[in-house]
Amino acid sequence: SAVISQKPSRDICQRGTSLTIQCQVDSQVTMMFWYRQQPGQSLTLIATANQGSEATYESGFVIDKFPISRPNLTFSTLTVSNMSPEDSSIYLCSVLTGEYGYTFGSGTRLTVV
Amino acid sequence: QKEVEQDPGPLSVPEGAIVSLNCTYSNSAFQYFMWYRQYSRKGPELLMYTYSSGNKEDGRFTAQVDKSSKYISLFIRDSQPSDSATYLCAIRNAGNMLTFGGGTRLMVKP
Repeated sequence: SAVISQKPSRDICQRGTSLTIQCQVDSQVTMMFWYRQQPGQSLTLIATANQGSEATYESGFVIDKFPISRPNLTFSTLTVSNMSPEDSSIYLCSVLTGEYGYTFGSGTRLTVV
Repeated sequence: QKEVEQDPGPLSVPEGAIVSLNCTYSNSAFQYFMWYRQYSRKGPELLMYTYSSGNKEDGRFTAQVDKSSKYISLFIRDSQPSDSATYLCAIRNAGNMLTFGGGTRLMVKP
């Protein structure tokens, strides 16, 4: 399965600022996914990012708040813009590899103060 | 109603116990059924994967799917303290989209 490097692993940010999270995969993948996991909750899909096209956002998530880049088949970024304390969460990237494989990064633990 | 419902726990068992984790789902179009394990401060890792009704065994883990009842289970035999984690069921549709249950936190006490 793929190996994902996600950075930063954690950050504490001031409200009103933005944070960009990076996800680097050790192999080329078509589909990459960004999830949010709020404290004590399950994973909620934010958007699907395919190389060469606009990301597809799920209901409740908008591009202005969570812009995504997918410049090539091994890399993606998610930006959390104009942050508020409600954005405090774990953000995870995931890739679809092979028949079964959804591999996840180790997550970015974001605290907004 | 959520598409995937999971008993929230937390579940605390003694070492060596048999653990049963369960999810129900509402959409009969779901095709693939997975169980993920998530340790604290880590991303989820795939434990089991199946697409048909019946049982699938892998070591101490058995995944069970009953499509007629829209019910999936994960059994852990001879549970170990290292099994302490949050377990998430996940169901995939034909469009490669995953829907997760809420997760069950399991604690296995030595």
